[in-house]
Amino acid sequence: SQQGEEDPQALSIQEGENATMNCSYKTSINNLQWYRQNSGRGLVHLILIRSNEREKHSGRLRVTLDTSKKSSSLLITASRAADTASYFCATEAYFGTGTSLTVIP
Amino acid sequence: EAGVAQSPRYKIIEKRQSVAFWCNPISGHATLYWYQQILGQGPKLLIQFQNNGVVDDSQLPKDRFSAERLKGVDSTLKIQPAKLEDSAVYLCASSALTSGRAYEQYFGPGTRLTVT
Repeated sequence: SQQGEEDPQALSIQEGENATMNCSYKTSINNLQWYRQNSGRGLVHLILIRSNEREKHSGRLRVTLDTSKKSSSLLITASRAADTASYFCATEAYFGTGTSLTVIP
Repeated sequence: EAGVAQSPRYKIIEKRQSVAFWCNPISGHATLYWYQQILGQGPKLLIQFQNNGVVDDSQLPKDRFSAERLKGVDSTLKIQPAKLEDSAVYLCASSALTSGRAYEQYFGPGTRLTVT
C-alpha cells in the first residue's frame, strides 16, 4: 500500500489565491518530497524537506513538516493557471494518493 | 543533460499476452525505479534497483512481473501474462546517490499500456 495520503483529493481556486495541500504518512522518514504531475511535463520533483527541518521555501512554494504528527503541507502562493496539476508527496520511493489542483484564470 | 528515456510510449495488447518495457536512466544515476500508475492514483513502486541489485520489490507481483537491470544501466520490465487490471502507465525514474542515499527522482515520460 502507498505510504502517504494527501488531503484534499481535489481543490479548485481562483488565480492569485493560495493553495494548501496536506500529506499524512505512516512510518518514520529521512525526508519527504513533493512532486507535481501534469499532462505536459509529466512527473517533476518540486522540493525535498529533511526530517530535521520544519519549513522550507522554494520560490512560491512553502513546505512544512511535523514529524510528531507525521504530516506535511505544501503551500503555493499567488497561484497561476499553469499550477493546475496533481501534487503528490513521497517518502523514500512511496507516493501518496495526490491532490488535484485546478487554478481558474 | 539527457533525461530518462522510455520505450515504447504506447502499447496495446490482449490479455494473456506478454509485453516488455525499456528504460534508460540519466547517465551516472545509480538508482532506478519502476512504477505503475493507474488513472487517478499515485505512482505505485514496483521495484527499485541500486546499480544492478534489487533494493525493494515488495510490491512487484512476481508471478507475472519481472525486471532486470543488467550492468547497472538500462532496465527492462516484463509482464507475462498480462491481465486487464495491468492497464496503466508504467513510469521509470532514476536518481543519484548522495552519501549512500537516493533523493530527487527524475521521471521518464512513461509507457501507457492498454490490455484488452
